[in-house]
Amino acid sequence: GAGVSQSPSNKVTEKGKDVELRCDPISGHTALYWYRQSLGQGLEFLIYFQGNSAPDKSGLPSDRFSAERTGGSVSTLTIQRTQQEDSAVYLCASSPVRAYLGNTIYFGEGSWLTVV
Amino acid sequence: SQQGEEDPQALSIQEGENATMNCSYKTSINNLQWYRQNSGRGLVHLILIRSNEREKHSGRLRVTLDTSKKSSSLLITASRAADTASYFCATGFQGAQKLVFGQGTRLTINP
Repeated sequence: GAGVSQSPSNKVTEKGKDVELRCDPISGHTALYWYRQSLGQGLEFLIYFQGNSAPDKSGLPSDRFSAERTGGSVSTLTIQRTQQEDSAVYLCASSPVRAYLGNTIYFGEGSWLTVV
Repeated sequence: SQQGEEDPQALSIQEGENATMNCSYKTSINNLQWYRQNSGRGLVHLILIRSNEREKHSGRLRVTLDTSKKSSSLLITASRAADTASYFCATGFQGAQKLVFGQGTRLTINP
């Protein structure tokens, strides 16, 4: 596709349920990021994938959060036993090479998660 | 903790005025980028400045970088109502393969 695609756009779930959020990056982009943004706040880094390297999971807030990237393309962020504080927008982004070296990262429109 | 911090947190000005937002960071960087976000959706890249650059322009945007003070500023000249958005700085720094974002500045342009 032309841009980063995320699904679902919106998700309402009951506390304690598991949720999966999907990200389809721009074709050919080797780097993929997940960020979380609570209402009116900044972006909180969650996890970073780069090619076949081990992912940087340093931002995952707890062991209820996990992410995988299959075949170097699509990524799934899984939140187990959701809590109300997990309510946020989950943003996925991709870039062709390592952004910290000076490349733009391209964001999807985000998945709004509401835990009730 | 966040690498970048924007100042002010919120800014409201009249259309036609210039808007200036600042970003401070803590550790040595390779580059600093500014992004814009409308209504809590995806962010859009505006401009990138490398650590060996001091100033960069793009249309009505002007970015400066002072590595000695570990700070950057984003100037939007001749603001328009459509510039209303949140603006974030993001730093790419040595030793980490990720961009770290600040808390953002919420800019409101009043017609």
